[in-house]
Amino acid sequence: QVQLVESGGGEVQPGRSLRLSCAASGFTFSNYAMHWVRQAPGKGLEWVAVVWYDGTDKYYADSVKGRFTISRDNSKNTLYLQMNSLRADDTSVYYCGRDRGVTGDHGMDVWGQGTTVTVSS
Amino acid sequence: QSVLTQPPSVSAAPGQKVTISCSGSNSNIDGNYVSWYQQLPGTAPKLLIYENDKRPSGIPDRFSGSKSDTSATLGITGLQTGDEADYYCGTWDSSLSDYVFGTGTKVTVL
Repeated sequence: QVQLVESGGGEVQPGRSLRLSCAASGFTFSNYAMHWVRQAPGKGLEWVAVVWYDGTDKYYADSVKGRFTISRDNSKNTLYLQMNSLRADDTSVYYCGRDRGVTGDHGMDVWGQGTTVTVSS
Repeated sequence: QSVLTQPPSVSAAPGQKVTISCSGSNSNIDGNYVSWYQQLPGTAPKLLIYENDKRPSGIPDRFSGSKSDTSATLGITGLQTGDEADYYCGTWDSSLSDYVFGTGTKVTVL
């Protein structure tokens, strides 16, 4: 079945780095744009980044621009989020989501279960 | 600060109807597809409505979406206790080149 499984979360000190992965299965990964979305404890959804189906275009929320990098490996059906210079306000559950289209503007129809990132000293 | 504004909460008795508004601008809702997501407590979001008014397979027709200019609306009829959740609108913002979510609305079944 169509599935997204995130991994790589954990507790990290401020200023350190972490890389999240999202393994896709059950569909042709290279046909879809992919997003990262996060949710801080008790807060709403916050979009983080999107990468086009072929990896040629990427867009980021201002809150992570210059610190986070989204990427994908279509040969491995995997989406990544490299997070550098982490701050306490990056503490969230991070979800990957499949866009209904190729360029990230059609809404997310498949979501992973989420992976928790805690930034604390 | 989200660019899409939703009411913090709505409530109604079982079997009744609720509507949730999502107010945006020319750069987001007006000109781009709106989606609606349901997030049950402790779970990942789930797509309820896409392309303004379409339902994915498996979503009951109790859920409906509409859009007019810079606003969108989610309607839920025949309210059930299982509908208690947070609901978010979402769309692309062409000026920001960002995907944006609404502030979220908590639905309570009285």
